[in-house]
Amino acid sequence: SQTIHQWPATLVQPVGSPLSLECTVEGTSNPNLYWYRQAAGRGLQLLFYSVGIGQISSEVPQNLSASRPQDRQFILSSKKLLLSDSGFYLCAWTWGDSELGYTFGSGTRLTVV
Amino acid sequence: AQKVTQAQTEISVVEKEDVTLDCVYETRDTTYYLFWYKQPPSGELVFLIRRNSFDEQNEISGRYSWNFQKSTSSFNFTITASQVVDSAVYFCALSEGGQNFVFGPGTRLSVLP
Repeated sequence: SQTIHQWPATLVQPVGSPLSLECTVEGTSNPNLYWYRQAAGRGLQLLFYSVGIGQISSEVPQNLSASRPQDRQFILSSKKLLLSDSGFYLCAWTWGDSELGYTFGSGTRLTVV
Repeated sequence: AQKVTQAQTEISVVEKEDVTLDCVYETRDTTYYLFWYKQPPSGELVFLIRRNSFDEQNEISGRYSWNFQKSTSSFNFTITASQVVDSAVYFCALSEGGQNFVFGPGTRLSVLP
């Protein structure tokens, strides 16, 4: 069966510090991968998605970036965090198109101080 | 462009009451898929149901039931005999295939003992 792992679960970082969140999927190959952000009390915002190694599509301009160095690994990064980057970050995967729906990781709660 | 509306921002009910969460969607496609996800306080999004546009049969799963009506573009979710563990944010979502996947803003359900 497929599983998705996301870490760390919580993170407190000072403004201006770098960020690296990692997501890996097991039990499948060539998944489509997604990063979502959820600000406190708000809805889900798609940040990036990837349909293959090295292929990244950005949905929202910001100081975040994503990379997919391996088939089942998706990384969210920032060189310098802003206060507005605080939120709950969720990684998700699906096979093929979005019509199958997404399976989500457990999320990372990021607080920028 | 597709759109999902969940007009109820927050709902509070007392345990054992029935509660219906509304979802209205907009799409120009004839083939599309609808979803409900549950986000408990832990944060992880849990898949509840997927329904394609050609299947208007209502579905029941234990205390959960879903009413899909294409005539009103609605996909409502009812919890019968609600329990405290049902307290969560519930998201309705729509996929038109490809990477066209959109979440509604969510409805926060509080079930009071």
